[in-house]
Amino acid sequence: DTGVSQDPRHKITKRGQNVTFRCDPISEHNRLYWYRQTLGQGPEFLTYFQNEAQLEKSRLLSDRFSAERPKGSFSTLEIQRTEQGDSAMYLCASSLEGGRGAMNTEAFFGQGTRLTVV
Amino acid sequence: KQEVTQIPAALSVPEGENLVLNCSFTDSAIYNLQWFRQDPGKGLTSLLLIQSSQREQTSGRLNASLDKSSGRSTLYIAASQPGDSATYLCALKSAGTYKYIFGTGTRLKVLA
Repeated sequence: DTGVSQDPRHKITKRGQNVTFRCDPISEHNRLYWYRQTLGQGPEFLTYFQNEAQLEKSRLLSDRFSAERPKGSFSTLEIQRTEQGDSAMYLCASSLEGGRGAMNTEAFFGQGTRLTVV
Repeated sequence: KQEVTQIPAALSVPEGENLVLNCSFTDSAIYNLQWFRQDPGKGLTSLLLIQSSQREQTSGRLNASLDKSSGRSTLYIAASQPGDSATYLCALKSAGTYKYIFGTGTRLKVLA
């Protein structure tokens, strides 16, 4: 397994367009996270999935944002009607949680998708 | 509400120095704390994970400690090298939630 994979690595789009990012987690990892990071800041939580269920969404995730994880494998994050303020690095992470030490497992991050809205 | 702070925000040291990066948090009810490294424009690389029941973890030249009672974690880097130059982030998972909360990071530059 090569780790968490994100596609594309870079995306430039015009304001008002829709964009979709994909994340492939580490195989058999049941938890998947999306974060957003702007320059000079730490990552901010957007949402996470336990298998295919979306269990928590941040207030940062406006109604223009939607995330899915069909069949509990890869995930997509879509941003509709992009705005310049959406420009950021979008990071995906996965972890295997459950059973013994259920809350204590390591999170692994992908290389991120850098979005630039012009 | 859990808040995570990292001090200093930036640090520049000559090669070979031992250094300490600090991470403080306001709520001691945590499940674990993880230290990450981030190179410019890249994703996060996990360095060390400390469970809430542990006091420290070591990997090579890195040692991370956790003191929940004082709300602090430190990352110790021994014999720093120019290749250690990066931003170091700490993140923790608070009890009752499944998300990681990050600090703003410490930008480290090790001078050759």
